[in-house]
Amino acid sequence: GESVGLHLPTLSVQEGDNSIINCAYSNSASDYFIWYKQESGKGPQFIIDIRSNMDKRQGQRVTVLLNKTVKHLSLQIAATQPGDSAVYFCAESISGGYNKLIFGAGTRLAVHP
Amino acid sequence: DTEVTQTPKHLVMGMTNKKSLKCEQHMGHRAMYWYKQKAKKPPELMFVYSYEKLSINESVPSRFSPECPNSSLLNLHLHALQPEDSALYLCASSPGPGELFFGEGSRLTVL
Repeated sequence: GESVGLHLPTLSVQEGDNSIINCAYSNSASDYFIWYKQESGKGPQFIIDIRSNMDKRQGQRVTVLLNKTVKHLSLQIAATQPGDSAVYFCAESISGGYNKLIFGAGTRLAVHP
Repeated sequence: DTEVTQTPKHLVMGMTNKKSLKCEQHMGHRAMYWYKQKAKKPPELMFVYSYEKLSINESVPSRFSPECPNSSLLNLHLHALQPEDSALYLCASSPGPGELFFGEGSRLTVL
């Protein structure tokens, strides 16, 4: 079936380094993508989104890159901080429907001082 | 007010019990969602309500019964659950296509 997946289940980085979390998707009809952050015991928190008519979008310390050719999505976090430690999910949906948002497997980001 | 509020935060129930999870939002969002999340897994879509009508049911067993009394409230009625139904149940809302706003979840344990 169609799914969204991640290459790495766990990513360990040093505080201050840049982090890159990757995601592969297989539904070529998906045209909207979101990155969520989920801390332990909490609900997913929106980080950044991107539509398929864009290749790159920047937020505060975060950048999302979309490569539609290879169906790949990445989240870059600059100057990673201990507060960034969490599980990160990418999610995809198709516009025009009932906003059926499907989540990928998730990557745990561990930031070490 | 930009919150989705879920109650209770924790619920323990037996397999013969009937209980309900509640979700409330006052952002004027017209779409509301239930997701189920097992430990170390991504959230899995269960139901989508759009304008108070059920628009998506992801083949969820009938022991889970959603209800949308009005545009601000979403309930999930639980009956005759199994231990494998133990999970974090997440409610979300959205103004339309795009970002979902999630609550903190209700952690359910079925004994």
